[in-house]
Amino acid sequence: AQSVTQLGSHVSVSEGALVLLRCNYSSSVPPYLFWYVQYPNQGLQLLLKYTSAATLVKGINGFEAEFKKSETSFHLTKPSAHMSDAAEYFCAVSDTGNQFYFGTGTSLTVIP
Amino acid sequence: DGGITQSPKYLFRKEGQNVTLSCEQNLNHDAMYWYRQDPGQGLRLIYYSQIVNDFQKGDIAEGYSVSREKKESFPLTVTSAQKNPTAFYLCASSIFAGGTGELFFGEGSRLTVL
Repeated sequence: AQSVTQLGSHVSVSEGALVLLRCNYSSSVPPYLFWYVQYPNQGLQLLLKYTSAATLVKGINGFEAEFKKSETSFHLTKPSAHMSDAAEYFCAVSDTGNQFYFGTGTSLTVIP
Repeated sequence: DGGITQSPKYLFRKEGQNVTLSCEQNLNHDAMYWYRQDPGQGLRLIYYSQIVNDFQKGDIAEGYSVSREKKESFPLTVTSAQKNPTAFYLCASSIFAGGTGELFFGEGSRLTVL
């Protein structure tokens, strides 16, 4: 079975600072990788996805992620944090078995 | 607009009662999913369905039941056999049954057992 590890359940950054949220996966086959964002009491919204095209993936709201096969990583970054970025972020992986595996999430706090 | 509608948003239940959470999608997606979310545990798969009249258990199916009589609908029943049902429940769908498409989520249903 696949697994996803998100390092750091809570991350705090200052407004305007770099956002880096870490995600590592275990997979024996080329995976499909996703980052989702969740605001309180809401569903998850897709930020970006990797599906074996370009290794640097750009998403919504200025976020991007880089697929590194050698490191089995798919870290999420944003050059400059905004107050509206405060939310819970989930990394997910999918194989060809129609199942999705989620990390335990990282709560991002943006300090004004 | 196309999307996934979950209802009710908030639900309170007494111990021993069954409750049914509704999930409807108008995205014409093949696959539908139910996840449970608890603080610090991420999303855990309860059931999923790739086609009408067929569904599979996920990691935590005990105490839950589902049906898929229509492509658009995938209701989840939380039975009295579920020992700790208080949680946030998320319904999702995807267009590609092979798992290559992303999941689209509803707004969630928060169930509280009194």
